[in-house]
Amino acid sequence: EPEVTQTPSHQVTQMGQEVILRCVPISNHLYFYWYRQILGQKVEFLVSFYNNEISEKSEIFDDQFSVERPDGSNFTLKIRSTKLEDSAMYFCASSRDPLWEKLFFGSGTQLSVL
Amino acid sequence: GDSVTQMEGPVTLSEEAFLTINCTYTATGYPSLFWYVQYPGEGLQLLLKATKADDKGSNKGFEATYRKETTSFHLEKGSVQVSDSAVYFCALSDQAQGAQKLVFGQGTRLTINP
Repeated sequence: EPEVTQTPSHQVTQMGQEVILRCVPISNHLYFYWYRQILGQKVEFLVSFYNNEISEKSEIFDDQFSVERPDGSNFTLKIRSTKLEDSAMYFCASSRDPLWEKLFFGSGTQLSVL
Repeated sequence: GDSVTQMEGPVTLSEEAFLTINCTYTATGYPSLFWYVQYPGEGLQLLLKATKADDKGSNKGFEATYRKETTSFHLEKGSVQVSDSAVYFCALSDQAQGAQKLVFGQGTRLTINP
């Protein structure tokens, strides 16, 4: 079965540094998402992306966050100046349509901000 | 806003035991309901879903029935196996709001001992 690939699996960074989390969605998918899960808390929606623009974002997704699909295959999440509270598992997901018939998730990137 | 509440974990059972993981939800519209599963080292995978009241989703021996009157979507399996050890997430998507996002519960870690 096709899969969503996320790299790296673990990322450690210093507070204030920029990080880029990378995802390769499934090739014929058109809708892309980022979710995160802070340890011990719920998985939270961050942003959805379609047709090269953000279609919806949560309150968490402030000006420190941005997403990009730079080359037609990768889908990235950038955090400009990381804070301690950004430490979490970040999940990328993709789907062929928004009707939730099948949403594919990557295995996640564990971000640790020191 | 919409929310999902799951049974607190972790849950530890013996092989062939009966499993129930409780899930209740709050939504303003007419949500679709989902169970996702995350096996160790992998991404979240859709396990089953139900899109309207009284629908029963089923897959791999797991079942859940959409109960509008009790706003619940409890996950059940009659006889669990060691390979069912994973984290289980209940989630909803409120189509009435045209949302492209899933609202998750906090996840329940299930461990099955041989």
